[in-house]
Amino acid sequence: DTEVTQTPKHLVMGMTNKKSLKCEQHMGHRAMYWYKQKAKKPPELMFVYSYEKLSINESVPSRFSPECPNSSLLNLHLHALQPEDSALYLCASSQGLRAMMNTEAFFGQGTRLTVV
Amino acid sequence: GENVEQHPSTLSVQEGDSAVIKCTYSDSASNYFPWYKQELGKRPQLIIDIRSNVGEKKDQRIAVTLNKTAKHFSLHITETQPEDSAVYFCAASTHAGNMLTFGGGTRLMVKP
Repeated sequence: DTEVTQTPKHLVMGMTNKKSLKCEQHMGHRAMYWYKQKAKKPPELMFVYSYEKLSINESVPSRFSPECPNSSLLNLHLHALQPEDSALYLCASSQGLRAMMNTEAFFGQGTRLTVV
Repeated sequence: GENVEQHPSTLSVQEGDSAVIKCTYSDSASNYFPWYKQELGKRPQLIIDIRSNVGEKKDQRIAVTLNKTAKHFSLHITETQPEDSAVYFCAASTHAGNMLTFGGGTRLMVKP
């Protein structure tokens, strides 16, 4: 199983809503990531979890709150978002950050988020 | 932090021709350079990667070359086919973490 599964595929939310994006992998990977991708732009790193601990927060606003309940799951909690936060949110996983050699990052299909 | 530049931003070739996409990076500590293909509305998928201890790697019609001294790496696709049409992203990361910094992307169009 080389799949990273994200739900939902599409999400429309108001600026006062609270919603969560979910990501799951069963490859035994110990590093998981959230990326944000605007239209016609490359993915931009938001958060990195290593062994269920937050390792990197790339100066992301607090209205985005990540959570890693266990080694297979990664959530992104959303609250009070702005229309400019509309984007494709991609989850990825890889073997781990402690490996001597970097390994392939597998991406999920993404959640297309629209904030109205 | 790392900065990755990618050129060209768009590339149109005739079916059967070769396509070359070039990237430069700024952080000399970067040691892992993957290339991702992203079709419209789909996830980025790894097509080939290269590590800094190797100068060239080939997988069928796809090859990547790395020049560590000049800090640039290139993707070569030979005998292009219409299904090669997509956006291609280069990326770089250091062994301190597998955090990818992506180039701006190249939209490749292969005309039948």
